[in-house]
Amino acid sequence: KQEVTQIPAALSVPEGENLVLNCSFTDSAIYNLQWFRQDPGKGLTSLLLIQSSQREQTSGRLNASLDKSSGRSTLYIAASQPGDSATYLCAVMSNNNDMRFGAGTRLTVKP
Amino acid sequence: KAGVTQTPRYLIKTRGQQVTLSCSPISGHRSVSWYQQTPGQGLQFLFEYFSETQRNKGNFPGRFSGRQFSNSRSEMNVSTLELGDSALYLCASSLWGGTSNTEAFFGQGTRLTVV
Repeated sequence: KQEVTQIPAALSVPEGENLVLNCSFTDSAIYNLQWFRQDPGKGLTSLLLIQSSQREQTSGRLNASLDKSSGRSTLYIAASQPGDSATYLCAVMSNNNDMRFGAGTRLTVKP
Repeated sequence: KAGVTQTPRYLIKTRGQQVTLSCSPISGHRSVSWYQQTPGQGLQFLFEYFSETQRNKGNFPGRFSGRQFSNSRSEMNVSTLELGDSALYLCASSLWGGTSNTEAFFGQGTRLTVV
């Protein structure tokens, strides 16, 4: 059974800092990994989708990497802004059609 | 184009009642998945529908059921509500879903409170 872990659970940084969020998974037989952000009480907004054959994806100030063999993904946020404050979730799609989510990292960017 | 629409946004029900939640996927998307999100358990997969058929199911009791219509809209039903069913219910739509490597887009969710 796929287990997805995100570290740290919470992170607070000053505005302008670059930061890295971590996601690890136990079964490397995945189809893809997707990063989402969730604002309090809201749904999930898709940030980046990395297919299992890819190593990284970039969108604006966000860069996500995937190392399938070691069961790890990172989400790099450059020049953080207060508007980036949210909970960031990674989700892994495994071979059994089951998308498993980590518990998320709650990010606070202080002005 | 319009995003994923979930109705209602908020719902308060009494223990023992039943409830039906609705999800309209992005136009052209054929896969709809449902998730339950609680502070203690996080996001948990309920089931996925594709072309009106349940393609995958999570580990939830039979009180949780769903269906999908020919226009890809989906409904989720919970019968005999329990206090522990209080949660944010999210649906996600994707073009093909499953292991097709297509991106999943989520609705704003339905906040269900059982009293």
